[in-house]
Amino acid sequence: EAQVTQNPRYLITVTGKKLTVTCSQNMNHEYMSWYRQDPGLGLRQIYYSMNVEVTDKGDVPEGYKVSRKEKRNFPLILESPSPNQTSLYFCASSPGYSGGAGEQYFGPGTRLTVT
Amino acid sequence: AQSVTQPDIHITVSEGASLELRCNYSYGATPYLFWYVQSPGQGLQLLLKYFSGDTLVQGIKGFEAEFKRSQSSFNLRKPSVHWSDAAEYFCAVYAGNNRKLIWGLGTSLAVNP
Repeated sequence: EAQVTQNPRYLITVTGKKLTVTCSQNMNHEYMSWYRQDPGLGLRQIYYSMNVEVTDKGDVPEGYKVSRKEKRNFPLILESPSPNQTSLYFCASSPGYSGGAGEQYFGPGTRLTVT
Repeated sequence: AQSVTQPDIHITVSEGASLELRCNYSYGATPYLFWYVQSPGQGLQLLLKYFSGDTLVQGIKGFEAEFKRSQSSFNLRKPSVHWSDAAEYFCAVYAGNNRKLIWGLGTSLAVNP
């Protein structure tokens, strides 16, 4: 089944404790992206990747890191999480080099709480 | 700057009634337009998309949308709503020069039995 998977689905952590949210897609998509969703603010892009070893900042990259060593995986790293990073996070992938021009396929989301 | 406006934050309809969700965009070139749906506790799923050609596009789950260039709109419609359509609906525009989707803030749909 074609899908985007994220792990973990739920995570409660403390301020400053490094964490990684994994994202994997099995559709051979070149483009991958991370979003956060907050009430009243909609979806905001954190980082995106056009291909392996190519990543770029989105609208809200501060406090996050990403890497794209393999086509299928695009982990999101929070080196020192803070409470303002409490949010619902989505990973998405898209076929085609131009990324958003193709439809995006979303993972189920990771709800992160930082205390 | 490109932007997407969904004027209705929340809409309630009765089951079986027709539905129209509004989306207006600001974009200088011919847009690529999308509607996504987010059911409670789920990720977003593409309902339909418009790239070019026929301005009335059909999507999944019985939804359709009409692109009106003169009004800069891409409204989503369904002739008869089902209780399972209760969800959050997002309109998005592809901003080619920025290589990303510009998202509306969403419309929350509630369906009364």
